[in-house]
Amino acid sequence: EAGVVQSPRYKIIEKKQPVAFWCNPISGHNTLYWYRQNLGQGPELLIRYENEEAVDDSQLPKDRFSAERLKGVDSTLKIQPAELGDSAVYLCASSLTGVVTEAFFGQGTRLTVV
Amino acid sequence: DAKTTQPPSMDCAEGRAANLPCNHSTISGNEYVYWYRQIHSQGPQYIIHGLKNNETNEMASLIITEDRKSSTLILPHATLRDTAVYYCIVRAINSGNTPLVFGKGTRLSVIA
Repeated sequence: EAGVVQSPRYKIIEKKQPVAFWCNPISGHNTLYWYRQNLGQGPELLIRYENEEAVDDSQLPKDRFSAERLKGVDSTLKIQPAELGDSAVYLCASSLTGVVTEAFFGQGTRLTVV
Repeated sequence: DAKTTQPPSMDCAEGRAANLPCNHSTISGNEYVYWYRQIHSQGPQYIIHGLKNNETNEMASLIITEDRKSSTLILPHATLRDTAVYYCIVRAINSGNTPLVFGKGTRLSVIA
């Protein structure tokens, strides 16, 4: 069974440019998460989806970040325009909907803004 | 904010047991203890979770104290591939998929 797939694996862009990350969760997983991980820190939640609905986006910087999950499957996270401080690893995770479940993470996209 | 406290780093000799402690003194009755690990350049990987009883699976054992204020993750025979950052997380089980809140974790180095 395929795990959570993210692309691209690495991305280098100049500041003020837009960038998008894509995530394909495990088949059948209703819940999808986007996390950001800065160097030396643990991952921090940006947004959580239940099917196609964003149920927790309080940590998403909405002035420049946006996300969507069309048809409740794949998801895209976008930054426009990117800033130097956005350099980080962006992780996608998915899980079944339920009380006690484990989340499965993708390998992440390492973004470098120069 | 993370509700757990872990040592920033630990070393373990290859083949020996690695015992990773975690303090969660403010844990509530409806919160589980989860452990994840993150190998370099990979996403976090689920290891084990428990509520109040000790748990064991093919990867590790989880020992939770009777008062639930602390726990220990045990890797019985550590290998070089176990070198990773280990995260201890408390997570509510009230309803739905509450997100995982990560701290800085413990960086375990397994030494040959």
